Amino acid sequence: AQTVTQSQPEMSVQEAETVTLSCTYDTSESNYYLFWYKQPPSRQMILVIRQEAYKQQNATENRFSVNFQKAAKSFSLKISDSQLGDTAMYFCAFIIGGSQGNLIFGKGTKLSVKP
Amino acid sequence: EAGVAQSPRYKIIEKRQSVAFWCNPISGHATLYWYQQILGQGPKLLIQFQNNGVVDDSQLPKDRFSAERLKGVDSTLKIQPAKLEDSAVYLCASLDRENNVNTIYFGEGSWLTVV
Repeated sequence: AQTVTQSQPEMSVQEAETVTLSCTYDTSESNYYLFWYKQPPSRQMILVIRQEAYKQQNATENRFSVNFQKAAKSFSLKISDSQLGDTAMYFCAFIIGGSQGNLIFGKGTKLSVKP
Repeated sequence: EAGVAQSPRYKIIEKRQSVAFWCNPISGHATLYWYQQILGQGPKLLIQFQNNGVVDDSQLPKDRFSAERLKGVDSTLKIQPAKLEDSAVYLCASLDRENNVNTIYFGEGSWLTVV
């Protein structure tokens, strides 16, 4: 079975500090992609960052970076210099390669950035 | 580039009534998804299309939900008759496979409240 586990239902961080959200996943596939999506109260799912499983280098996107540990099937998200606008639900997800797959989501982590 | 378009954004109906949601994916995206997201949960796949064919509808409650993508472009999701537990956000998404790298982009979602 393909699963994604986010063990932190809620987290909070002070503005300008750094926070790390955890994610583990399970799949027997070798070709897959990992994502973090942000979902503000508007409920739109916004892509934050993507990691190709075949790449060893961790992806970065401005203040967002990941720690991808393929052997451990771990994919954590680090947010640096947290801003009030980062307050949202964050979902970890993956999709297998090819054109037939669909996103498997975790249950989400609610992040609150405090002034 | 235009994103995934969805309408209506909000809908309130009484139980046993019907409702339809429309989605137009990003131009050129062959794969389209409908997800249901109940408040406090991660999105759940309802149906996946590739062009005008169904790839996966295993979690679609077929006694009340139907979806079509007749010309392989835009899609409609219908619920008839609606139940209280159908209250959720319905997210449409499409798959980008540029350079054979998978990324899924979402629309703004359609909020449904069944009273």
